[in-house]
Amino acid sequence: LAKTTQPISMDSYEGQEVNITCSHNNIATNDYITWYQQFPSQGPRFIIQGYKTKVTNEVASLFIPADRKSSTLSLPRVSLSDTAVYYCLVTSGAGSYQLTFGKGTKLSVIP
Amino acid sequence: DSGVTQTPKHLITATGQRVTLRCSPRSGDLSVYWYQQSLDQGLQFLIQYYNGEERAKGNILERFSAQQFPDLHSELNLSSLELGDSALYFCASSARQADTLYNEQFFGPGTRLTVL
Repeated sequence: LAKTTQPISMDSYEGQEVNITCSHNNIATNDYITWYQQFPSQGPRFIIQGYKTKVTNEVASLFIPADRKSSTLSLPRVSLSDTAVYYCLVTSGAGSYQLTFGKGTKLSVIP
Repeated sequence: DSGVTQTPKHLITATGQRVTLRCSPRSGDLSVYWYQQSLDQGLQFLIQYYNGEERAKGNILERFSAQQFPDLHSELNLSSLELGDSALYFCASSARQADTLYNEQFFGPGTRLTVL
């Protein structure tokens, strides 16, 4: 699966929109981009998944350009409770289903 | 609450010992995955079972083994424990199999293993 690169950490003030960009230059045709969130000492939690263009759910938006070599997770109006590690993963559309986690981005929301 | 349960929550044991971690997947989920999270290695996939059969193996040591029972709960057995095995062990489950393009996994709260 394609290797992902994302910033190690980010800080944001409460109420701001946060964008976390992930690069995945070697993404394959049938791969999806998936984001998970993890709070300390808890299991990761699925946030959003997309293949191309834009996907939005009640929690976040995911923007994927046409070449799919990068993606941006957008969290609207973050609160203190959004402080967590966010993982960008490339997941296979078929075949193996194990998740390959990188180091993630530690988001700290400041009051 | 993801619907995945893991027991015990904490486990403290000594080097050389053997432990068993237990996982009950969400109701109806056929796939169970085990992951290890340590400070130096991050979150790593160990092994996957689907409906009782092993489907994929990751970075699982030979000292570790797992199985999934007919009622779909799973156990991860860790033997000849070493200090470096101290970590959080997560179980996840999903309903999907080979013909799907969507694979959301639901993680349990984890078992924190401390080897002294």
